[in-house]
Amino acid sequence: SSELTQDPAVSVALGQTVRITCQGDSLRSYYASWYQQKPGQAPVLVIYGKNNRPSGIPDRFSGSSSGNTASLTITGAQAEDEADYYCNSRDSSGVGVFGGGTKLTVL
Amino acid sequence: QVQLQQWGAGLLKPSETLSLTCAVYGGSFSGYYWSWIRQPPGKGLEWIGEINHSGSTNYNPSLKSRVTISVDTSKNQFSLKLSSVTAADTAVYYCARGRIKPYCSGGSCRGAFWFDPWGQGTLVTVSS
Repeated sequence: SSELTQDPAVSVALGQTVRITCQGDSLRSYYASWYQQKPGQAPVLVIYGKNNRPSGIPDRFSGSSSGNTASLTITGAQAEDEADYYCNSRDSSGVGVFGGGTKLTVL
Repeated sequence: QVQLQQWGAGLLKPSETLSLTCAVYGGSFSGYYWSWIRQPPGKGLEWIGEINHSGSTNYNPSLKSRVTISVDTSKNQFSLKLSSVTAADTAVYYCARGRIKPYCSGGSCRGAFWFDPWGQGTLVTVSS
C-alpha cells in the first residue's frame, strides 16, 4: 500500500513537547519529509531526509524514523507552531504520497 | 534563492482543460523533479505528478489518464494540463521543486524526497 496514515488532530500545551506520527509501508524505503501549513498559505518544508532542517526552521523541530513509522517532534512548542502538518514519501514505483494531515493545536 | 511563480485560469466549466504554468527563478533547472500538488478546499494534499529537466514524467495513477506535465527549459518553466475537469478537481494547485537524495549506510540505502520551495498556489474552481 502507498498510503500514509496520520492522526487527524493533536494538541500540546505551550512549551511542551509533541510528536506527530506518520505510518506507511513506503517509509521503509524512503524517509518522510514534513510540511507545515498555516491557513491560506502554501506548505513549508520543515524536515527532510534523516533529520534535516531547511534554513530558517527552528531547531525545536526534529524528525526520526523507525520501520514503517516516521515522527516529527516539536520540543517546546510555541503558539506559532499551531498549523496543519503533512508527511510525504514515495512508493516503490516513485509515485508521491501525502499523509492526510495532522492539525496541531497549541493550548 | 529559488522562487516559483505560477499562473493560470482560475475558473473553468466542467469538461474543460485546466492549464497552469510555473516559472522557476534564481536556480538551476536540472537535477530536480518539477512537481504539481493540489489541495481541495478543507482537505489534504494530493500529489499530481512530476517532470525532470529531460522531460521524463511520473503521474499519480488516479489522474494519469487526464494529466500532462511538460517542461520548457529555455524559459525555466513547467506546465500542468488536466483534461475533462469536474467539480471534484476544484482545488488550490501548487507547483513545487522536488529533490531526491539517497542515504546509504552499512550496505543498505534509503531514499529521501522533499518539496522545496513551493509556488504561491492557484485556486481553480470548476463550476457550470
